[in-house]
Amino acid sequence: EPEVTQTPSHQVTQMGQEVILRCVPISNHLYFYWYRQILGQKVEFLVSFYNNEISEKSEIFDDQFSVERPDGSNFTLKIRSTKLEDSAMYFCASRTASSYEQYFGPGTRLTVT
Amino acid sequence: KQEVTQIPAALSVPEGENLVLNCSFTDSAIYNLQWFRQDPGKGLTSLLLIQSSQREQTSGRLNASLDKSSGRSTLYIAASQPGDSATYLCAVRNYGQNFVFGPGTRLSVLP
Repeated sequence: EPEVTQTPSHQVTQMGQEVILRCVPISNHLYFYWYRQILGQKVEFLVSFYNNEISEKSEIFDDQFSVERPDGSNFTLKIRSTKLEDSAMYFCASRTASSYEQYFGPGTRLTVT
Repeated sequence: KQEVTQIPAALSVPEGENLVLNCSFTDSAIYNLQWFRQDPGKGLTSLLLIQSSQREQTSGRLNASLDKSSGRSTLYIAASQPGDSATYLCAVRNYGQNFVFGPGTRLSVLP
């Protein structure tokens, strides 16, 4: 069964460094999302992406964040200058055009030291 | 602003019991609601999606209901098994907005 994949599974970085989190959505999906979950807290929406542009973003998704679909398969989240509070689990999700059911990847655990 | 709550926060039941998990939301003008399970340190697995026009959805031992007017959804799990142990999340989507998640119910099914 097709699934969303994410790499790396765990990323450790120093404060101020740039990180890129990678996702490969399900191949026939057209809508892509990033969410984050700080340890012990709720899952929070970050951004949605469709037709090569951001369709919606939350207050969390400030100028330090960017997303890109560099080719036909990858979908990336870049954090330009990481802060301690960016430490969280980051989930990618995708869905088709005909169903609103979102399918999530296994997540990338980002630790900022 | 949509707020989603889930009760109880944690639940422990013996194997074989039927159980109900609750999800409440403050803004009833929802577009759809999706139930997920999350295993410790893992991603979210989609269980059921209910559109606003639907009253319930079923998949195997799971049945999710939706009552928009009262701002509630329930997830019914029949004949629970130890493998059902996980955190169950509900997420609500309003028109023109994206998912707002509840805090989850942590379920333990004891053998």
